[in-house]
Amino acid sequence: SQQGEEDPQALSIQEGENATMNCSYKTSINNLQWYRQNSGRGLVHLILIRSNEREKHSGRLRVTLDTSKKSSSLLITASRAADTASYFCATGKTFYNQGGKLIFGQGTELSVKP
Amino acid sequence: SQTIHQWPATLVQPVGSPLSLECTVEGTSNPNLYWYRQAAGRGLQLLFYSVGIGQISSEVPQNLSASRPQDRQFILSSKKLLLSDSGFYLCAWSVAGQYTEYGYTFGSGTRLTVV
Repeated sequence: SQQGEEDPQALSIQEGENATMNCSYKTSINNLQWYRQNSGRGLVHLILIRSNEREKHSGRLRVTLDTSKKSSSLLITASRAADTASYFCATGKTFYNQGGKLIFGQGTELSVKP
Repeated sequence: SQTIHQWPATLVQPVGSPLSLECTVEGTSNPNLYWYRQAAGRGLQLLFYSVGIGQISSEVPQNLSASRPQDRQFILSSKKLLLSDSGFYLCAWSVAGQYTEYGYTFGSGTRLTVV
């Protein structure tokens, strides 16, 4: 079942601009993660934010989490053409003796024009 | 370092034929293993996950099955493929445990086209 919903579905910006993608989810979570997927490839883990965290940084990435609104945002600063990819949020929930499962959203397709 | 191998990269199969996709992980023990499917232009749908040898949980009732005959081997199978089984299949692993701390590592995927 899909839980995360990204907004916008597609985003086109110029190199050097910032890109912001949003994610909303429905049920309680243990953590929220963002992944990147280049066309026709597997997903690459970018960043994880726990449910008790509000903001996290990694290089040019900034992630925020608002559990009261069940939403998260991913900000990519000073974007580059190489950032062109699809970005997915995924909500993590763990179950006793069943490991952790990630449920992915539909993704945001980011295009960065040189 | 840990690596994940998934093959084949592409596969074209006729309707009604069997399927076997294999995924192996190196450099770690007792990983959690996952099979996802991605339809064109859409998000990932969790199909199966496994927390140990012989332990398979199915998320979506369908024409597919999964098996884990060895600790670091995960196989996705079908006895008779349907057109609707076409898609991009991704295997992933994560560190074992009750908390997904480090995220998932994905294989490079198999593009399956059923004709």
